[in-house]
Amino acid sequence: SAVISQKPSRDICQRGTSLTIQCQVDSQVTMMFWYRQQPGQSLTLIATANQGSEATYESGFVIDKFPISRPNLTFSTLTVSNMSPEDSSIYLCSVVTDHTWSLFFGPGTRLTVL
Amino acid sequence: GENVEQHPSTLSVQEGDSAVIKCTYSDSASNYFPWYKQELGKRPQLIIDIRSNVGEKKDQRIAVTLNKTAKHFSLHITETQPEDSAVYFCAASSHGGSQGNLIFGKGTKLSVKP
Repeated sequence: SAVISQKPSRDICQRGTSLTIQCQVDSQVTMMFWYRQQPGQSLTLIATANQGSEATYESGFVIDKFPISRPNLTFSTLTVSNMSPEDSSIYLCSVVTDHTWSLFFGPGTRLTVL
Repeated sequence: GENVEQHPSTLSVQEGDSAVIKCTYSDSASNYFPWYKQELGKRPQLIIDIRSNVGEKKDQRIAVTLNKTAKHFSLHITETQPEDSAVYFCAASSHGGSQGNLIFGKGTKLSVKP
């Protein structure tokens, strides 16, 4: 499977600020996604990161709050904007590798908003 | 949209016993059903997946069965070991088939007692 890295691994932020999370994959992948896991909860898809075009957002998530970039087939960023304590979660980058057609997760970014 | 129900929410077994976790889904267009294991503080790890053209798949002590008519699928772990203790998530593909666009169940916390 692909090696996925995320930066930062964790952060503590003040409400009203924004944080950009970076995701780097060691090989080109067609499909890349961002998921959220709230404390003690399951995983929820935020959006599909599309290379060279706007991301596709799931119901309940909007571009103004979670802008996503995907400039190439190995890199993506997710920004959590104007944060509130309810945004405290683990944010996970994930990819579908072209040879396995299965979804693999990055290590996650643990965000705490005070 | 797709909805995935997972039972039980907690499961405790003795080492060496079998464990079974069951999931139901609502969207008959779903055709991909992975299972993830998440240990405390770690990313979800894909342990097995099944596609709708197959009724059963096995990998050593782990097996998954799929009943498309009844819209349910199950994870079977035999000869459980303490290292099997973790939270297990089932998922189903939404929007009719993208392996990355998954709807997750709420998870089952499995405890294997030595």
